[in-house]
Amino acid sequence: AQTVTQSQPEMSVQEAETVTLSCTYDTSESDYYLFWYKQPPSRQMILVIRQEAYKQQNATENRFSVNFQKAAKSFSLKISDSQLGDAAMYFCAYYNSGTYKYIFGTGTRLKVLA
Amino acid sequence: NAGVTQTPKFRVLKTGQSMTLLCAQDMNHEYMYWYRQDPGMGLRLIHYSVGEGTTAKGEVPDGYNVSRLKKQNFLLGLESAAPSQTSVYFCASSQRRARSTDTQYFGPGTRLTVL
Repeated sequence: AQTVTQSQPEMSVQEAETVTLSCTYDTSESDYYLFWYKQPPSRQMILVIRQEAYKQQNATENRFSVNFQKAAKSFSLKISDSQLGDAAMYFCAYYNSGTYKYIFGTGTRLKVLA
Repeated sequence: NAGVTQTPKFRVLKTGQSMTLLCAQDMNHEYMYWYRQDPGMGLRLIHYSVGEGTTAKGEVPDGYNVSRLKKQNFLLGLESAAPSQTSVYFCASSQRRARSTDTQYFGPGTRLTVL
């Protein structure tokens, strides 16, 4: 069975600094998709970034980028130039089209210090 | 487009009562999902649907039933609510693409308390 592990329950970063959130997953599939979602206090789940496993190039979205290591089954999120609005819960998620199901990690709460 | 909407946003039930949560999406998505979110446990899949008239069990289906009579709606029912079902419930939808998937779009969540 596929699993997603976020080993950091909470992280802190100074405003304007860079922080990396970790995510590892376990799967025997070769074709899958990985996501990072942000959940601010409003509870709304917001997509931050996605990565297709068949693509070797790491995805980037403005200040957000990933380090996708397929062999190591690692998918970390780097947030550059952290802003107060980045404070939220961040969830890593895995999707395999054969099962139609998304599997989420337990989340990392990010605090941004002014 | 309203995206994914959920009704109601908050609800308090007594043990043994029943209720239905409604999820609606206006993006013509094939796939729809119900999750529950509990502290320290992330999002856990309750039931999902890959098309109108079809439903399937997820990770934590016990105590819940679902129906997808119309493509745009996905209903989650609690027949006899228990305190263990106190949680925040999220609905999500996504498009079907060949050998791919589109992003999941989430509703705003429903906070349910069972006393």
